[in-house]
Amino acid sequence: AQSVTQLGSHVSVSEGALVLLRCNYSSSVPPYLFWYVQYPNQGLQLLLKYTSAATLVKGINGFEAEFKKSETSFHLTKPSAHMSDAAEYFCAVSPPFQGAQKLVFGQGTRLTINP
Amino acid sequence: KAGVTQTPRYLIKTRGQQVTLSCSPISGHRSVSWYQQTPGQGLQFLFEYFSETQRNKGNFPGRFSGRQFSNSRSEMNVSTLELGDSALYLCASSDPQGTQETQYFGPGTRLLVL
Repeated sequence: AQSVTQLGSHVSVSEGALVLLRCNYSSSVPPYLFWYVQYPNQGLQLLLKYTSAATLVKGINGFEAEFKKSETSFHLTKPSAHMSDAAEYFCAVSPPFQGAQKLVFGQGTRLTINP
Repeated sequence: KAGVTQTPRYLIKTRGQQVTLSCSPISGHRSVSWYQQTPGQGLQFLFEYFSETQRNKGNFPGRFSGRQFSNSRSEMNVSTLELGDSALYLCASSDPQGTQETQYFGPGTRLLVL
């Protein structure tokens, strides 16, 4: 069975500082990996996804993530935080099989940006 | 293209009642998945429909059911509501051409069971 662990349910950074949100996965086969963001009272918006192509994935809003198989990690980073980045972030994993439209999510990390 | 739409956005029910939620996927998308989001359990997969057939199912009791119509619109039904069913129910659509395509989420239906 696949699982996702997000280290830190709350992360607080200053505006302009580096954002690092941690995600580790457990899977018997190399999975597909995703980061989603959720703003208050909204659904989930895809930030980026890894599907076994380049290990460094660039997403929207200046975010990127690096797939490290040896560490079973897929951490999300952004060089300089903006106030608008305040939201909840979810890492998710999916088996790389056709028809496997099923995401397993981590518990989420709430990101707070301090002015 | 219009995004995924869900109706209603908010719903209040009492224990024992049943509820039906609706999801309209992005035009052309044939797969619709449903997720439950609660503070305690987080985001959990309920089920996925593709071409009117349930293709994947999560670990939820039989009170939770769904269906998909020929136009890919989907409904989920929860019977005999319990207090613990209070949650945000999210629908996502995708168009699986290969092994895994991006799931696009709707705004959700927030259900409160009293």
